[in-house]
Amino acid sequence: EAQVTQNPRYLITVTGKKLTVTCSQNMNHEYMSWYRQDPGLGLRQIYYSMNVEVTDKGDVPEGYKVSRKEKRNFPLILESPSPNQTSLYFCASSSRSGVKTQYFGPGTRLLVL
Amino acid sequence: QKEVEQNSGPLSVPEGAIASLNCTYSDRVSQSFFWYRQYSGKSPELIMSIYSNGDKEDGRFTAQLNKASQYVSLLIRDSQPSDSATYLCAVNSDTGNQFYFGTGTSLTVIP
Repeated sequence: EAQVTQNPRYLITVTGKKLTVTCSQNMNHEYMSWYRQDPGLGLRQIYYSMNVEVTDKGDVPEGYKVSRKEKRNFPLILESPSPNQTSLYFCASSSRSGVKTQYFGPGTRLLVL
Repeated sequence: QKEVEQNSGPLSVPEGAIASLNCTYSDRVSQSFFWYRQYSGKSPELIMSIYSNGDKEDGRFTAQLNKASQYVSLLIRDSQPSDSATYLCAVNSDTGNQFYFGTGTSLTVIP
């Protein structure tokens, strides 16, 4: 089954404790992206990757890091989480060719205390 | 800052009616436009994409694009209670690499 998976699905942590949210896709997609979704602000793009070892900032990259060492994986790293990073996070992937139809993962709900 | 504007609603329509959802965008060079449906607590799922002026139909859904007016809409015919969800409009940047989403319109279809 073609899918995007994220782990963990729910996470409660404390300020300053480094964490990683994993994202994996099995569709051989070149393009992958991370979003956060907040009430009243909608979905905002954090980082995206056009292919292995190619990443770029989206609209709200501050406080986040990403890496793309393998085509299927695109982890999101919060080196020192803060309460304003409490949010619902989505990973998405798409083929790079043509119109980018994005397929979203199930989401990770993060609470930073 | 590119902007995508949607009426947040809520929009309520009776079952069987036509639901009309609207979206405007600020960047004239945007290339592709998308409508996603998001059920409460779930991830967005693509309904339609459109990149040429005019109408594009897929079953009960019709997307309409007017680049001169920077306007894209989604019509849902014969609305069903299962269509009750939040509908997100998304716009692709001119490079095709970045996406900008509206805040969504909440639709309720009343049986």
